[in-house]
Amino acid sequence: QSALTQPASVSGSPGQSITISCTGTSSDVGSYNYVSWYQKHPGKAPKLMIYDVSNRPSGVSNRFSGSKSGNTASLTISGLQAEDEADYYCCSYTSSTTLVFGGGTKLTVL
Amino acid sequence: QVQLQESGPGLMKPSETLSLTCTVSGDSMSIYYWTWIRQPAGKGLEWIGRIYSSGSTNYNPSLKSRVTLSLDTSKNQFSLKLTSVTAADTAVYYCARALWEGGWFDPWGQGTLVTVSS
Repeated sequence: QSALTQPASVSGSPGQSITISCTGTSSDVGSYNYVSWYQKHPGKAPKLMIYDVSNRPSGVSNRFSGSKSGNTASLTISGLQAEDEADYYCCSYTSSTTLVFGGGTKLTVL
Repeated sequence: QVQLQESGPGLMKPSETLSLTCTVSGDSMSIYYWTWIRQPAGKGLEWIGRIYSSGSTNYNPSLKSRVTLSLDTSKNQFSLKLTSVTAADTAVYYCARALWEGGWFDPWGQGTLVTVSS
């Protein structure tokens, strides 16, 4: 299975909004609303930020939102804050009943 | 609240078999899917496989020939065995819980670094 495609890096200034894309195929992202997003700071375990495309777990800021169109899912972070600087990974369920991650996106807050 | 903790050898030699254990505390292992995920240094996350509380398993096709997952509900533990390791298997290994086979991972263990070197 091939990794989902994410941009290697994105950046934004405090207060701005950014969007990270996650492109798969009709065998994963395109067929299921089972896309999740994880935030990972260096040396820390990944943290669930979005599940089932657009749902936020309890405790996650409403500045984080998710969406999907066709084979591409997106994570949007509004009102960027310094602590948002991290790596972000998408993950999708596949038609083979496996899970596949994206390659990760490094978010830099300028 | 449920917590997961990985344990393993740390340093291994090529061709050896990696054995990792994840200990679950704060909840029963029933009805959940227990998952292993790894991250090589400087690279992204890779899903290794999952085991359901019934014992059924599903593996990443790229690792399937070398991976075996098992669980011991009496000890609240599940385990990973990876045979014939090489330097490419050097990574931080995480265990995590999912509510269903396609579900999101939460919580995660803190991760354990496994280095394969001669």
